[in-house]
Amino acid sequence: DVKVTQSSRYLVKRTGEKVFLECVQDMDHENMFWYRQDPGLGLRLIYFSYDVKMKEKGDIPEGYSVSREKKERFSLILESASTNQTSMYLCASSHLQGSPGELFFGEGSRLTVL
Amino acid sequence: AQRVTQPEKLLSVFKGAPVELKCNYSYSGSPELFWYVQYSRQRLQLLLRHISRESIKGFTADLNKGETSFHLKKPFAQEEDSAMYYCALNTNAGKSTFGDGTTLTVKP
Repeated sequence: DVKVTQSSRYLVKRTGEKVFLECVQDMDHENMFWYRQDPGLGLRLIYFSYDVKMKEKGDIPEGYSVSREKKERFSLILESASTNQTSMYLCASSHLQGSPGELFFGEGSRLTVL
Repeated sequence: AQRVTQPEKLLSVFKGAPVELKCNYSYSGSPELFWYVQYSRQRLQLLLRHISRESIKGFTADLNKGETSFHLKKPFAQEEDSAMYYCALNTNAGKSTFGDGTTLTVKP
């Protein structure tokens, strides 16, 4: 059974703190993605990666960075968290290099920034 | 630029009634379209994709390139269909663009 695992389901952080969100997939997928999910705004792509050490900006990359040191792991970093980054963060992966195909999602990480 | 529009944020029907969740897209290339569903307290998962032309859980969706639409339909809604539904567009650039989502409530 395919699996995308996000290490933290719920986090509460203070403004200005550095935040790491970890995502691991066990399907040997080339592609990995970070989205944020907000009511009424759907899913918005933050960053994605098609290969190890490779990253591309999505639609809303400001205030975020990513790291992909190993194929199975894709980390989202908030260098200095702000209240407008309070959201649900979804990690996803897919096969087919260069074309997402079906996305497999993690359960999500709900981040609250106070 | 690609865009996906789901005009209804909320949709409510009675059990046994037909349901249609609308999705329109804007993309100059050849689109690859999907419907994803998120049930309460579950992860987002694929419901169906246009290239497979299959029916999943009684749902079907037909790609209409003339009207640039990919509406999701089910003839007889069930209470367990209550969920959030997202339409998504894959492009040659390798990204998936999602609509804002439609929350479907099926009342008993």
